[in-house]
Amino acid sequence: QVQLVQSGAEVKKPGASVKVSCKVSGYTLTELSMHWVRQAPGKGLEWMGGFDPEDGETIYAQKFQGRVTMTEDTSTDTAYMELSSLRSEDTAVYYCATDGGSGWTFRFDYWGQGTLVTVSS
Amino acid sequence: QSALTQPASVSGSPGQSITISCTGTSSDVGGYNYVSWYQQHPGKAPKLMIYDVSNRPSGVSNRFSGSKSGNTASLTISGLQAEDEADYYCSSYTSSSTPLVFGGGTKLTVL
Repeated sequence: QVQLVQSGAEVKKPGASVKVSCKVSGYTLTELSMHWVRQAPGKGLEWMGGFDPEDGETIYAQKFQGRVTMTEDTSTDTAYMELSSLRSEDTAVYYCATDGGSGWTFRFDYWGQGTLVTVSS
Repeated sequence: QSALTQPASVSGSPGQSITISCTGTSSDVGGYNYVSWYQQHPGKAPKLMIYDVSNRPSGVSNRFSGSKSGNTASLTISGLQAEDEADYYCSSYTSSSTPLVFGGGTKLTVL
């Protein structure tokens, strides 16, 4: 059983960067295709990007290209999502999510608990 | 504006059945069988209810079923229960440069 535990809430000023972590247990990170989804307050879900094992690369939603970086530390089984040049519209709960396998099946069986990032001056 | 269109809200009485639609295009819902449905209660992470159009993960009640016709996918919940009251989101693989898109979400109210 995959368990995903995310880092705590963050408050950032406009223009700053934030880095959210997602610790994996029950599996090793190399066995998973990890993705990130966000949800602004009162709004819907939005896929940000994730690891595509077919290409062996991390792919990002066009909307976030150039502003987001997703990395992994396999020594600690921790995935990271860093978003830069923050603006108020980036205020949201950020989730890590995976289907529990090394391939990407375009679904998410397992989710972290979410990390609230608030962008405010 | 979400890539997939869902009704903002649906409602039903306990014991009844309801259906939530998710309309896309031939580049997403209509072109691939990678439609998923998620249930989200307030303040909680989403939960996968249906994947690959009509498959239920282990542990999900058989009161939940999924289907697809053309560019529209549907989630049907039969025998509505109070605990089904939640937000529901569809998602689909898409051939665009952003390969996964979600619907805007549907709030289900159990009357």
